Amino acid sequence: DSGVTQTPKHLITATGQRVTLRCSPRSGDLSVYWYQQSLDQGLQFLIQYYNGEERAKGNILERFSAQQFPDLHSELNLSSLELGDSALYFCASSVSPNTGELFFGEGSRLTVL
Amino acid sequence: AQSVTQLDSQVPVFEEAPVELRCNYSSSVSVYLFWYVQYPNQGLQLLLKYLSGSTLVKGINGFEAEFNKSQTSFHLRKPSVHISDTAEYFCASSGSARQLTFGSGTQLTVLP
Repeated sequence: DSGVTQTPKHLITATGQRVTLRCSPRSGDLSVYWYQQSLDQGLQFLIQYYNGEERAKGNILERFSAQQFPDLHSELNLSSLELGDSALYFCASSVSPNTGELFFGEGSRLTVL
Repeated sequence: AQSVTQLDSQVPVFEEAPVELRCNYSSSVSVYLFWYVQYPNQGLQLLLKYLSGSTLVKGINGFEAEFNKSQTSFHLRKPSVHISDTAEYFCASSGSARQLTFGSGTQLTVLP
């Protein structure tokens, strides 16, 4: 158990819909990262937050947004969903923002029909 | 930007045999290197890391990796694998910006 909690574990929705994925980082970790894992794209970095502020942005689509709340949990919002958004979305956390030592949650599997 | 190349997408090996999973990274003045493992239906877990110092790095579950600056490689090795080592292995690097870039992964399958 990494200490990172993600909900929901599985989500099935239709094209055009909007979903929210939630992540609680390890106790004491200030930095949260979101990754998307799919068969064709591999593991893609989406966005990073540190102590409530956006720290770095990767290959995140404009239809996607995220935020980190004062209690340090984070949410990833995916809107106008397309079939190609079907993937496993991972949240990870770390103590500091400048480290590669990440602790990953078990992921949220999104299926868009 | 950093890039990481994992040369083998699939590596089948028999139980108790040695294994090497290959990883090459793009050169950077300052680079940190990592290996992560992903067991089925789980998130990624850190196996080992190279930040500085000794080029031979030991990790969990008997794995080790060697940082080779001249060849820009960070290959992962284990002298004797077990069935339970079956998983996907990801090499990752972070450069001066300290953003983690993952390779495409290598599926290690240990056969009985």
